[in-house]
Amino acid sequence: DGGITQSPKYLFRKEGQNVTLSCEQNLNHDAMYWYRQDPGQGLRLIYYSQIVNDFQKGDIAEGYSVSREKKESFPLTVTSAQKNPTAFYLCASSIRGAGEKLFFGSGTQLSVL
Amino acid sequence: GNSVTQMEGPVTLSEEAFLTINCTYTATGYPSLFWYVQYPGEGLQLLLKATKADDKGSNKGFEATYRKETTSFHLEKGSVQVSDSAVYFCALSDLGAGGTSYGKLTFGQGTILTVHP
Repeated sequence: DGGITQSPKYLFRKEGQNVTLSCEQNLNHDAMYWYRQDPGQGLRLIYYSQIVNDFQKGDIAEGYSVSREKKESFPLTVTSAQKNPTAFYLCASSIRGAGEKLFFGSGTQLSVL
Repeated sequence: GNSVTQMEGPVTLSEEAFLTINCTYTATGYPSLFWYVQYPGEGLQLLLKATKADDKGSNKGFEATYRKETTSFHLEKGSVQVSDSAVYFCALSDLGAGGTSYGKLTFGQGTILTVHP
């Protein structure tokens, strides 16, 4: 079945540590996105990529980094510069040019130890 | 900038009750409007959308009408079921160059709906 796979489901980060969240899709979508979800708040866009080897900052990119070396993969690294990383992270993809219909993964809950 | 405001939750209803979740927005230009639903432990799914004023989006018994005069996109369902229990997000996108939004959606804060038998 086609879809988006995020891993791990739960992740814990120690102070000063970088962690990487995985996102893989087999939908053959060109565009991929990372959103952050905090309790009682809407989703906020971290980074997005329209094509391999290209990506743009979203509204809250500080403290995060991404890469897009393959069409099907868009990993997100939460760096030690992100001072409040505890949140639910959602990866999404779409057919390029049809960005409003997003297909989401089931998310990764990141917590700080 | 763009913003979306949803009614405060959580909302608790009995099965077969009528549902309304209010959504109002602020945007430049002429946004498209969406409702996404998030079931427990899952990612979001597109529920319905409307791309211009007076359009009505509908899916699975849910409806929402794009009201430009009141900048609203309220979600309604005539008879809810236990299986409708989820978090509902209102969202908008402004079309960029070439008529595409590139996934840059602005989301409301979400409304938790719980339906009891």
